Amino acid sequence: AQSVSQHNHHVILSEAASLELGCNYSYGGTVNLFWYVQYPGQHLQLLLKYFSGDPLVKGIKGFEAEFIKSKFSFNLRKPSVQWSDTAEYFCAVNFPSGSARQLTFGSGTQLTVLP
Amino acid sequence: ETGVTQSPTHLIKTRGQQVTLRCSSQSGHNTVSWYQQALGQGPQFIFQYYREEENGRGNFPPRFSGLQFPNYSSELNVNALELDDSALYLCASRSGHRNTGELFFGEGSRLTVL
Repeated sequence: AQSVSQHNHHVILSEAASLELGCNYSYGGTVNLFWYVQYPGQHLQLLLKYFSGDPLVKGIKGFEAEFIKSKFSFNLRKPSVQWSDTAEYFCAVNFPSGSARQLTFGSGTQLTVLP
Repeated sequence: ETGVTQSPTHLIKTRGQQVTLRCSSQSGHNTVSWYQQALGQGPQFIFQYYREEENGRGNFPPRFSGLQFPNYSSELNVNALELDDSALYLCASRSGHRNTGELFFGEGSRLTVL
């Protein structure tokens, strides 16, 4: 079955530390990949997306993600986190088969950045 | 602000009751999707409406139903509420029904079923 896995449920970092959040999906074909962020009390918003081309994509607020097709991964990175990055991060995938119009989300990673 | 507004923001119901949640999509968006986000989980796709027709559905029973109106606003109806229906219900809109592009989410309606 097509699925999205986020292995880190809760990550705690100090300000200025580097961040990498893992995301893996199970599907052998072409997919569209997304990272969404949910700040406390706010709506889900798009951080970045990958459809094709350069596998290293840059998003808002200094975030980037790398698509590694051989590993079915789309990990999110930021070189130096800030307290304001405290939020929940969701990886999401558009699988082309089945209901072709949905996003399948991972279970999320809660990031806490300590000042 | 995404321009997607949902109401009510919070509500409490009891088992067996029915609930209607409402969503006003962002201006110019003709596609609305609904997601259920249980505590500690990622959002799960319920269904999508494009130009007033349902054109995609996730693994939810028929007691979850919806409508889209000519102005592209939408309703999610849940009948015979169960305790497990307690969740945050998210509405998202986009322009066009294809599976590419950004979804714009509202802040959600938090439903508690007692």
